[in-house]
Amino acid sequence: EVQLVESGGVLVQPGRSMKLSCAASGFTFSSFPMAWVRQAPTKGLEWVATISTSGGSTYYRDSVKGRFTISRDNAKSTLYLQMDSLRSEDTATYYCTANWELQYWGQGVMVTVSS
Amino acid sequence: DIQMTQSPASLSASLGETISIECRASEDIYSNLAWYQQKSGKSPQLLIYAANRLQDGVPSRFSGSGSGTQYSLKISGMQPEDEGDYFCLQGSKFPLTFGSGTKLEIK
Repeated sequence: EVQLVESGGVLVQPGRSMKLSCAASGFTFSSFPMAWVRQAPTKGLEWVATISTSGGSTYYRDSVKGRFTISRDNAKSTLYLQMDSLRSEDTATYYCTANWELQYWGQGVMVTVSS
Repeated sequence: DIQMTQSPASLSASLGETISIECRASEDIYSNLAWYQQKSGKSPQLLIYAANRLQDGVPSRFSGSGSGTQYSLKISGMQPEDEGDYFCLQGSKFPLTFGSGTKLEIK
């Protein structure tokens, strides 16, 4: 059974940093590109970033470029999202997803940016 | 960025009714289109990929069609468990972009 389990979400002040993790199991993690998608409260879905299977290629939405870093550890089957200089508009549930068509999703982790 | 215009924003259907949801892309996305269902308080689930390919385990009453800039999701025979929010996603170019969503309810 495929499982994606996010962790690391919490309340953080604007301007601070936070790192999300996503532990994957039930599939060959190293063979799948991975992505983060977020959803602000009562809003729609918003793609954040994607990383290739090797980690050699990364893609970001403009609003997080230069602030967020997606990375992966294939030996640990874990995906990461380092989020720096957080803003109130980054408040959302963050989902870890697998494959180019976002085939598998985690349960999500809530990130609240507020003073 | 490619804009995805999804309609309708909300829809109320009777049990057994056939419904359609549309997504229009601002440019040709070459069938790089997926559909997701999200039930209240849950993660999205992939229903359709590559415009018309049914994800494993998804009931056959769900189908996708379209090409170029126009795509649709059809549910042939609304069931109670089909209530939820539906989103389209274009995967042709980065940034990936979602439609604004359709809230589907039982009438």
